[in-house]
Amino acid sequence: DAKTTQPPSMDCAEGRAANLPCNHSTISGNEYVYWYRQIHSQGPQYIIHGLKNNETNEMASLIITEDRKSSTLILPHATLRDTAVYYCIVLMEYGNKLVFGAGTILRVKS
Amino acid sequence: GAGVSQSPSNKVTEKGKDVELRCDPISGHTALYWYRQSLGQGLEFLIYFQGNSAPDKSGLPSDRFSAERTGGSVSTLTIQRTQQEDSAVYLCASSLIQSGEQFFGPGTRLTVL
Repeated sequence: DAKTTQPPSMDCAEGRAANLPCNHSTISGNEYVYWYRQIHSQGPQYIIHGLKNNETNEMASLIITEDRKSSTLILPHATLRDTAVYYCIVLMEYGNKLVFGAGTILRVKS
Repeated sequence: GAGVSQSPSNKVTEKGKDVELRCDPISGHTALYWYRQSLGQGLEFLIYFQGNSAPDKSGLPSDRFSAERTGGSVSTLTIQRTQQEDSAVYLCASSLIQSGEQFFGPGTRLTVL
């Protein structure tokens, strides 16, 4: 599976949009981009995934560039409860082994 | 509905003892995964089950680690002759089918003294 690169940390003001970038320049055509987050002392939580089209659900939006070499997770109105480590993971469809990197620590501040 | 549950939530053991960690996946989920998270290593994959068979055991760190799943449901991760480096949070996840969309339990924190 392709490697991903994320900034180690980001800050966001409460109520503002949080935009978390991820680079995955070696992604192959049948690999999906998955996003998870881990709030302190909890298990990871699935957020969203996509192949090439932008995706939106009740938690977030995922914007994937046309060349698929990078993506951005958008939390439209960040709250203090969104403070967590966010992981971008590339995985084949029906893949089973999530490979977690260091992720991005998102701190939402009031 | 009920999520993935794990027991115990915390386990403290002495070096050399065996431990068993239990995972109850979401009902109807055919795929089950074990991961562990330690301070220096981050989150790492251990083993994957499809039904009762384990087609991918590539992450088990040594032959002291084993896992089984019975009835396509509950899974047990066993660590024999525990070592201090086994101290970590052991996380279980399940999914409806083999998938990247996995639902994680709260984990078992294992401390080996």
